[in-house]
Amino acid sequence: AQKVTQAQTEISVVEKEDVTLDCVYETRDTTYYLFWYKQPPSGELVFLIRRNSFDEQNEISGRYSWNFQKSTSSFNFTITASQVVDSAVYFCALSEPNFGNEKLTFGTGTRLTIIP
Amino acid sequence: DVKVTQSSRYLVKRTGEKVFLECVQDMDHENMFWYRQDPGLGLRLIYFSYDVKMKEKGDIPEGYSVSREKKERFSLILESASTNQTSMYLCASRADQRTSINEQFFGPGTRLTVL
Repeated sequence: AQKVTQAQTEISVVEKEDVTLDCVYETRDTTYYLFWYKQPPSGELVFLIRRNSFDEQNEISGRYSWNFQKSTSSFNFTITASQVVDSAVYFCALSEPNFGNEKLTFGTGTRLTIIP
Repeated sequence: DVKVTQSSRYLVKRTGEKVFLECVQDMDHENMFWYRQDPGLGLRLIYFSYDVKMKEKGDIPEGYSVSREKKERFSLILESASTNQTSMYLCASRADQRTSINEQFFGPGTRLTVL
């Protein structure tokens, strides 16, 4: 069975600090996808990134970066120079390969608060 | 832009009432999903549908049913609402995986309170 663990329930950092959100996953499949979603106070989940299991290259998008390591089953998310607008709940998710019927397994989320 | 809308942001119902939560997407997506979100539990899949009139149980289908009569609309039904169904309900849609666009797009959520 799939499982996603986000051990950090809540994190608070001062604005402009860097922060890393941890995500550890379990799956028996060799082909899978990993995702990060952001849920701001408005409630709507916003897609941030998708990574497939065959692509271990790190990804950078502006102040956001993702570190995928299959050896440790981790897909960590780093925000550099954090801003107040980064305050949200962040979810990591794992998708099982079921052609056409993929389901997402979500972690329990990390609430990030950026203190001005 | 993909748009997923849900009929209500906030809903208050009484125990035993029949409750309908509606979700509409405007991007001709094949797949649609209903989740509930509870503190400390993350998002849990209730039901999903990969085509019109098709439905599959998710991880926590008990107490719920769904209807998908049209491609753009996916309804979640609480046949007899109970207090333990008080939660945030999130709808999502996704294009068929065969297009390789497999992220889900979410609606704003419906916060349901059952008294």
